[in-house]
Amino acid sequence: QVQLQESGPGLVKASQTLSLTCTVSGGSISNGGYYWSWIRQHPGKGLEWIGYIYYSGSTYYNPSLKSRVTISLDTSKNQFSLKLNSVTAADTAVYYCARDGGGLADFWGQGTLVTVSS
Amino acid sequence: QSALTQPASVSGSPGQSITISCTGISSDVGGYNYVSWYQQHPGKAPKLMIYEVKYRPSGVSNRFSGSKSGNTASLTISGLQAEDEADYYCSSYTSSSTVFGGGTKLTVL
Repeated sequence: QVQLQESGPGLVKASQTLSLTCTVSGGSISNGGYYWSWIRQHPGKGLEWIGYIYYSGSTYYNPSLKSRVTISLDTSKNQFSLKLNSVTAADTAVYYCARDGGGLADFWGQGTLVTVSS
Repeated sequence: QSALTQPASVSGSPGQSITISCTGISSDVGGYNYVSWYQQHPGKAPKLMIYEVKYRPSGVSNRFSGSKSGNTASLTISGLQAEDEADYYCSSYTSSSTVFGGGTKLTVL
């Protein structure tokens, strides 16, 4: 059973960089066929796809966030990471990592709340 | 990349059936059979209920079914149960990215 766990600071100052890591257990992120995703949910709102990275390292980002987002893989640690720079209060959200098999996210982390403070 | 359109809320009584719609455009819902549905209970991570329009992951009740016609996908829940009360989101693959619907709150009366 694949499990994912987000980690990182719960509080980030405005204009700085939000950095989160997702640790995957029960399966290797190097195995082909999967995209490793970041999705966020603003308080009381719906889901927003941030982007994903394929096992090969190819990245795909939400056009509305593309200029500020970087997703990377660390296969040695079986982790993938999210960096979102120049954050504002509008980036306050619960951030989820997930495994995406191609249009379907079948395993999710529990989510981590990141608050952007001024 | 605009969000897919879902009704804000639907409701039904135990035992009844409800359908939630998810409307997109030809470049997302209408263009690919990669529509998924997720159930989210308060404070929990979303759970995959339907993928590729109509397939259920192992362990998901057969009371949940999916379909698509043109640019609109639908999730039907039959034999409503109290535990079905949750938020439901659709998503679609679109040109190397994913787009979600705005979500639908299901209330079991």
